[in-house]
Amino acid sequence: AAGVIQSPRHLIKEKRETATLKCYPIPRHDTVYWYQQGPGQDPQFLISFYEKMQSDKGSIPDRFSAQQFSDYHSELNMSSLELGDSALYFCASSPKDVAGGAYNEQFFGPGTRLTVL
Amino acid sequence: RKEVEQDPGPFNVPEGATVAFNCTYSNSASQSFFWYRQDCRKEPKLLMSVYSSGNEDGRFTAQLNRASQYISLLIRDSKLSDSATYLCVVNTDFNKFYFGSGTKLNVKP
Repeated sequence: AAGVIQSPRHLIKEKRETATLKCYPIPRHDTVYWYQQGPGQDPQFLISFYEKMQSDKGSIPDRFSAQQFSDYHSELNMSSLELGDSALYFCASSPKDVAGGAYNEQFFGPGTRLTVL
Repeated sequence: RKEVEQDPGPFNVPEGATVAFNCTYSNSASQSFFWYRQDCRKEPKLLMSVYSSGNEDGRFTAQLNRASQYISLLIRDSKLSDSATYLCVVNTDFNKFYFGSGTKLNVKP
């Protein structure tokens, strides 16, 4: 079965550089979520999109932005990178829900490991 | 206070043991509940959704107690391959999900 695809899988950047992470959700999934997971920490919700519109915002820094495109893929843009941005970035997708949002299981991609030097 | 709280463990159990984890949530309006499993440096993988009536999938049983605002995961006949971190996830609003810090399980031979 098709899974969530993330690219790149690994990324190394210098401080103050920019990075763009891409996420391709499972086909027919209309909701995308971005999470940041630091070493030894649980995933922290950054932002989500439903039907190409931002649906919720978590602890996403102002230096980051994201969008979902017409083909439902999403990109997370990160600028002025800091050492503390080094983490695993997961994208997850959920299927179209006809019951009003309950029981929306998320399926995670393999993540992008970002290292900021 | 965190939205979702879990005992970080680790739980060290022998093969074949039964082990249970609990997870408490703070928002009484929470709608959906899940258990995920995460192996080191890998993505969380959905283990099971937790339904109001409780549900079972092989050796795994999940329960929801809305009155006390906790969910539980019971693993019977533990296998070495069950060693992982188990994340409790709670959905409060339409697209807002909160993760617990995870409970680490080590199954020993």
